[in-house]
Amino acid sequence: EPEVTQTPSHQVTQMGQEVILRCVPISNHLYFYWYRQILGQKVEFLVSFYNNEISEKSEIFDDQFSVERPDGSNFTLKIRSTKLEDSAMYFCASRRTSGGYEQYFGPGTRLTVT
Amino acid sequence: KNEVEQSPQNLTAQEGEFITINCSYSVGISALHWLQQHPGGGIVSLFMLSSGKKKHGRLIATINIQEKHSSLHITASHPRDSAVYICAVGIQGAQKLVFGQGTRLTINP
Repeated sequence: EPEVTQTPSHQVTQMGQEVILRCVPISNHLYFYWYRQILGQKVEFLVSFYNNEISEKSEIFDDQFSVERPDGSNFTLKIRSTKLEDSAMYFCASRRTSGGYEQYFGPGTRLTVT
Repeated sequence: KNEVEQSPQNLTAQEGEFITINCSYSVGISALHWLQQHPGGGIVSLFMLSSGKKKHGRLIATINIQEKHSSLHITASHPRDSAVYICAVGIQGAQKLVFGQGTRLTINP
């Protein structure tokens, strides 16, 4: 069964460094999402992406964040200058354009900023 | 006020018990999702529903659109059902999902 994959599973970085989190969505999906979950808190929406552009973003998704689909398979989230409060689990999700709104989640990347 | 509220926050039960987790929401939705999150952190989609009832194995999900309420039931619960169960709603006219706080379920043998 096709699945969303994410790399790395765990990333440790120092405050101020840039990180890139990578996702490979399900191949015939065209909508892509990033969510994050700070430890002990609920999952929060960051951004949605369709047709090579951001279709919706949250207040959290400020200028420090960017997303890109550099090729036909990868979907990346970049944090330019990480802060301690960026430490969280980051989930990628994807869905088809038709057949409902079901989103398929990746296993997550745990980002630790020290 | 949270747009999605779940109850209870924590639930401990004995193996074999019938489990009910509730979700209420205050916004117009396109669909409601029940998700399962295991201790390792990964999220698995259990159900997506916009009306009525769905069943998959021992899991049953119902939704009442008029009352803006959904329930997730687990019959004949088993220790392997221990996880955090999350209700999330797709907002009408938007792409994003809005998540509840989750219900931590522990099934003791």
